[in-house]
Amino acid sequence: EIVMTQSPATLSVSPGERATLSCRASQSVSSNLAWYQHKRGQPPRLLIYGAFTRATGIPTRFSGSGSGTQFSLTISSLQSEDFAVYFCQQYHNWPFTFGPGTKVDIK
Amino acid sequence: HVQLQESGPGLVKPSETLSLTCTVSGGYIGSFYWSWIRQPPGKGLESIGYMSFNGITNYNPSLRSRVAISGDTSRNQFSLRLSSVTAADTAVYYCARSNSDYFDYWGQGTLVTVSS
Repeated sequence: EIVMTQSPATLSVSPGERATLSCRASQSVSSNLAWYQHKRGQPPRLLIYGAFTRATGIPTRFSGSGSGTQFSLTISSLQSEDFAVYFCQQYHNWPFTFGPGTKVDIK
Repeated sequence: HVQLQESGPGLVKPSETLSLTCTVSGGYIGSFYWSWIRQPPGKGLESIGYMSFNGITNYNPSLRSRVAISGDTSRNQFSLRLSSVTAADTAVYYCARSNSDYFDYWGQGTLVTVSS
């Protein structure tokens, strides 16, 4: 099973600032990586798939990069609605596995 | 717009079988892949398994001996059964849609507690 890790566990950011979140896979997942945003009481929302492709309706301030074992999600200018938990998921091998998440909170 | 909604008991006794149903609206379970995912309190998400549009199933090896996923196209629902549950199966259970890869639509999630 591929183990996904994320850093940092918590990221404190001021509105308007840039946030960069990291995700690492225990072995190569090529570009088979997705990012999700999760707010309490809501279903997870797909942000990025294929490591860098934004899902339908996702603002351009969200961008993904990386391949192999190292990935990043960047939020270029944090808006109030962006404070949430973000987690990554590999779909290269079954079982698909998820990172533990990075909580982005208000500084 | 595709919507998924989980339903089922919120409390299950140890050693019994957990049963959940996911009702899909705005989409048809005869297309795509339909999954169950769970998140124990304070832990990360775990893939449980999925059912394909043509009824083929695949389960997480860690749960394979206890899990079954099935679909009812007439009701546009799919279901999860997890047998011989223990406290370790306490979690928020989500249903989700994929194309055998990333999950583009998720249910709200339902908390299932295993306790006597």
